[in-house]
Amino acid sequence: EMQLLESGGGLVQPGGSLRLSCAASGFTFSSFGMSWVRQVPGRGLEWVSGISASGGATYYADSGKGRFTISRDNSKATLNFQMNSLRVEDTAVYYCVKEGDGHPPHWGLGTLVTVSS
Amino acid sequence: DIQMTQSPSSLSASVGDRVTITCRASQHISNWLAWYQQKPGRAPQLLIYAASYLPAGVPSRFSGSGSGTDFTLTISSLQPEDFATYYCQQSTAFPRTFGQGTRLEI
Repeated sequence: EMQLLESGGGLVQPGGSLRLSCAASGFTFSSFGMSWVRQVPGRGLEWVSGISASGGATYYADSGKGRFTISRDNSKATLNFQMNSLRVEDTAVYYCVKEGDGHPPHWGLGTLVTVSS
Repeated sequence: DIQMTQSPSSLSASVGDRVTITCRASQHISNWLAWYQQKPGRAPQLLIYAASYLPAGVPSRFSGSGSGTDFTLTISSLQPEDFATYYCQQSTAFPRTFGQGTRLEI
């Protein structure tokens, strides 16, 4: 069974940093692009960042450029997301997403990031 | 960026109704479109991928159609568990973009 398990969320002060991780299982991790999508409670879905299957290409929404870094370790089937200079408006549930690439995409259950003083 | 416009933004319906939600892309996206259902406090659940493909486990009352810029999600006969928010998402280009959501209410 395909699974994506996010971790690393929590409470952080404005200007602080947080590193999210996503442990993947049940599929060939190295064959699929991955993304992070977030959702402010009560609001819509916002794609934040993506990475190619090899890790050679990365993509960011304007909201996170220069502050967020996506990476992956295919040997460990793990997706990472380093978030620096966090703002109150980054408060959201962050979802790890396996890209479809012609197959069904798959989402994790999410991890809550709260940026507050 | 590709803009995804869903309509309606909210919809009132009854059990047994046939419901259609539309999603329009600001440029051609072939069939790189997915539909999601989300209930409060839960992660989005995939309903349709590649515009018209039903993943395993999704009831057959859900169907998707369209290609290019115009897409539809149809629920043939609403069930009580279908009252939720629905989103479309394009995956032909980065940044990935979502529709604003359609809230389906009783």
